[in-house]
Amino acid sequence: GAGVSQSPSNKVTEKGKDVELRCDPISGHTALYWYRQSLGQGLEFLIYFQGNSAPDKSGLPSDRFSAERTGGSVSTLTIQRTQQEDSAVYLCASSLGATSTDTQYFGPGTRLTVL
Amino acid sequence: AQKVTQAQTEISVVEKEDVTLDCVYETRDTTYYLFWYKQPPSGELVFLIRRNSFDEQNEISGRYSWNFQKSTSSFNFTITASQVVDSAVYFCALSEGRWDDKIIFGKGTRLHILP
Repeated sequence: GAGVSQSPSNKVTEKGKDVELRCDPISGHTALYWYRQSLGQGLEFLIYFQGNSAPDKSGLPSDRFSAERTGGSVSTLTIQRTQQEDSAVYLCASSLGATSTDTQYFGPGTRLTVL
Repeated sequence: AQKVTQAQTEISVVEKEDVTLDCVYETRDTTYYLFWYKQPPSGELVFLIRRNSFDEQNEISGRYSWNFQKSTSSFNFTITASQVVDSAVYFCALSEGRWDDKIIFGKGTRLHILP
């Protein structure tokens, strides 16, 4: 497809389980971003990749969160030992380059519900 | 520090009315970028506009227009002759002109266009 895709679209899990969220950026986009949108909150930046490296990890809310990107393309966001406060929509975006002149294009998001 | 404030949490207007969404930002940098995104009920974020800090010219795109005023640190968004399809959450965002910077979003304004 032409846009950013994310899978799964919905994920329901039990507290304490690990989850893995996937993002397929637009082909050729070198920068990839993860955001979180909690109920009633705005968008919260989590992590950013330029190629396969993540120069900015400051947004990850805890050490239960990790992300990787391989081959400069697909990225996975892993949440270990999920907690109820992790319930949110996780959005992925990609942009052609790493600068702020490059518009970020968002995927449809993964809605995570932790019971 | 960067900050984006969208003071209007929720707005309702009757179809065909004009509506302005406010956005006030804070940044210490002289080079920065401002964005507006639309998030319709489907959830997927849609990019509307990017404006850099050196270009204060107002922009019009169809029924949409943006008023960038550096003197008041505002980047307001007006929809003229609103339509029901304009109903969405609208996010204003800011990023500074560094290569590794991230976008900071406001909390969004939920716009209801009543038929």
